[in-house]
Amino acid sequence: SAVISQKPSRDICQRGTSLTIQCQVDSQVTMMFWYRQQPGQSLTLIATANQGSEATYESGFVIDKFPISRPNLTFSTLTVSNMSPEDSSIYLCSVNKGADTQYFGPGTRLTVL
Amino acid sequence: GESVGLHLPTLSVQEGDNSIINCAYSNSASDYFIWYKQESGKGPQFIIDIRSNMDKRQGQRVTVLLNKTVKHLSLQIAATQPGDSAVYFCADLGGNTPLVFGKGTRLSVIA
Repeated sequence: SAVISQKPSRDICQRGTSLTIQCQVDSQVTMMFWYRQQPGQSLTLIATANQGSEATYESGFVIDKFPISRPNLTFSTLTVSNMSPEDSSIYLCSVNKGADTQYFGPGTRLTVL
Repeated sequence: GESVGLHLPTLSVQEGDNSIINCAYSNSASDYFIWYKQESGKGPQFIIDIRSNMDKRQGQRVTVLLNKTVKHLSLQIAATQPGDSAVYFCADLGGNTPLVFGKGTRLSVIA
């Protein structure tokens, strides 16, 4: 498995501001993923972040709204830009650790007022 | 795109009984499946996985069954305990698609 931490664990933000979420893994991993989980819903993949290349975004998600950094093999950030109340969700970092299995961080609970 | 779904959104079971959580998938290229448990306020926790070359896999108190003919997946929890109360997600990986999550089933254990 992998030990994954996220910062902040939760935040309350004002409309129009931006928040950067950090994800730290205890070992080097090739692929890191960012998911969104809206209240009472399942997980939706935002993008795949690979070190040394630009993130790959899923349909409905764009880099201007959710810029991602992946400076090394143990760290990534996701920024939620120009936030609106519709961005209130849990944001989850995930990594591949051996074969296809994905492990998840504890999540960042974001509330936008 | 194709999606993974669940038959039941909620399931209540008596403590000590067995629980069965079902999942249907539609991607014919799916070859890897994972069950996750998500407790309130936490991220999804890996429970058990299975590849498409298997029909059954057992873990500690959990068994996953895969029926490729009808594209159906189930998670069986033996002797359900209060600590098993959570939302359970199946996820599906196949072809060039990323991991796709089902809607989730909330399991409530009645003491």
